[in-house]
Amino acid sequence: DSGVTQTPKHLITATGQRVTLRCSPRSGDLSVYWYQQSLDQGLQFLIQYYNGEERAKGNILERFSAQQFPDLHSELNLSSLELGDSALYFCASSPTDSNQPQHFGDGTRLSIL
Amino acid sequence: SQQGEEDPQALSIQEGENATMNCSYKTSINNLQWYRQNSGRGLVHLILIRSNEREKHSGRLRVTLDTSKKSSSLLITASRAADTASYFCATVWYNNNDMRFGAGTRLTVKP
Repeated sequence: DSGVTQTPKHLITATGQRVTLRCSPRSGDLSVYWYQQSLDQGLQFLIQYYNGEERAKGNILERFSAQQFPDLHSELNLSSLELGDSALYFCASSPTDSNQPQHFGDGTRLSIL
Repeated sequence: SQQGEEDPQALSIQEGENATMNCSYKTSINNLQWYRQNSGRGLVHLILIRSNEREKHSGRLRVTLDTSKKSSSLLITASRAADTASYFCATVWYNNNDMRFGAGTRLTVKP
């Protein structure tokens, strides 16, 4: 058990819809990272938050947004969903930054019909 | 791109044999990390090696880093069927804070 909790585990929705993925980091970790894993794109870094503030941005689409709340949990919002957004979305956490190991949740599998 | 690239893409060996996976990258890095992923599950951190380190060990795992060649290798000794998984290298760019993953090596260990 990594200590990182992601909900929901599975999500099925339709094109054009909006969903919110939730992540609770390991106790004591201040940084949260979001990744997207798909068969054609592999594992892509989306965004990192540190103690409530955006720290680094990767290949995140404008239709996607994230935030980290005062209790350090994070949410990833995906809107105007397209078929190509179907993927596994992982959250990871670390004490401060990427110079430390990241601990991953089990992911949310998003299926767009 | 600062992403690591693993080689080979897939590796199949017998239990007891050693498995070696390689990772190459293109930019100066702060550190390089290896992760393991069982099918459909989250990634599990294996080893972090910093740019000023050349070799690290953890149990049956040995990681080397050659910054002059911009490459790293992961050696799993005396492999077991339970080692069957995908293995990813991830690089943290020297002047950046995000971590970029390679495409991974799919390891199959046959009992």
